[in-house]
Amino acid sequence: AIQMTQSPSSLSASVGARVTITCRASQGIGNRLGWYQQKLGKAPKVLIYGASTLQSGVTSRFSGSGSGTDFTLTISSLQPEDSATYYCLQDYDFFTFGGGTKVEIK
Amino acid sequence: QVQLQESGPGLVKPSQTLSLTCTVSGASITSGGYYWSWIRQHPGKGLEWIGYIYYSGSAYYSPSLQSRVTISRDTSKNQFSLKLNSVNAADTAVYYCASRRGVDTATGYHYGMDVWGQGTAVTVSS
Repeated sequence: AIQMTQSPSSLSASVGARVTITCRASQGIGNRLGWYQQKLGKAPKVLIYGASTLQSGVTSRFSGSGSGTDFTLTISSLQPEDSATYYCLQDYDFFTFGGGTKVEIK
Repeated sequence: QVQLQESGPGLVKPSQTLSLTCTVSGASITSGGYYWSWIRQHPGKGLEWIGYIYYSGSAYYSPSLQSRVTISRDTSKNQFSLKLNSVNAADTAVYYCASRRGVDTATGYHYGMDVWGQGTAVTVSS
């Protein structure tokens, strides 16, 4: 089974900061990766699919990049409403979530 | 617009079978390309994919749960269901159903899971 290693597990940054979260797959997965945001007590919400395609209706502050084994989610200018836990999800071979990154606002 | 709603008991006894249903509105579960998934989240932990049933009726499961899981569907009710047998306390979690449309024809990329139910909490306890 494909393992997804996400880092960091948590971070704290100021409003306006550029934030980067990474996800590494245990084997190549092409661009079969999505990023999800989960706020406390809510269902996850897809932000990015195909590693870099912004889901309709999602703010362009979010962007994704990478292919193969290494992927990145970037928040260009962190806003208070971005406080959440972020997960990557590979769908190359069934599905596997990364462990999550909790993003807090300083 | 597709909407999903989970339903089922909130409390299950150890060794029994957990049964949940996801009712779909706004799309047919036989619509081409759709994946209908179950995902769970243990208290305070990350997300775990359990399995999915494809629009064709084929079901696929996480290797770690495969021996205990069955996902099925009722096309007449536009529902799909999860059965997890021989449960124990480690199966206590919030269970979500989610859907994915298949391939974005504009990019050739597979869509993400873009519709989720609100989740239903299940506790395994005697």
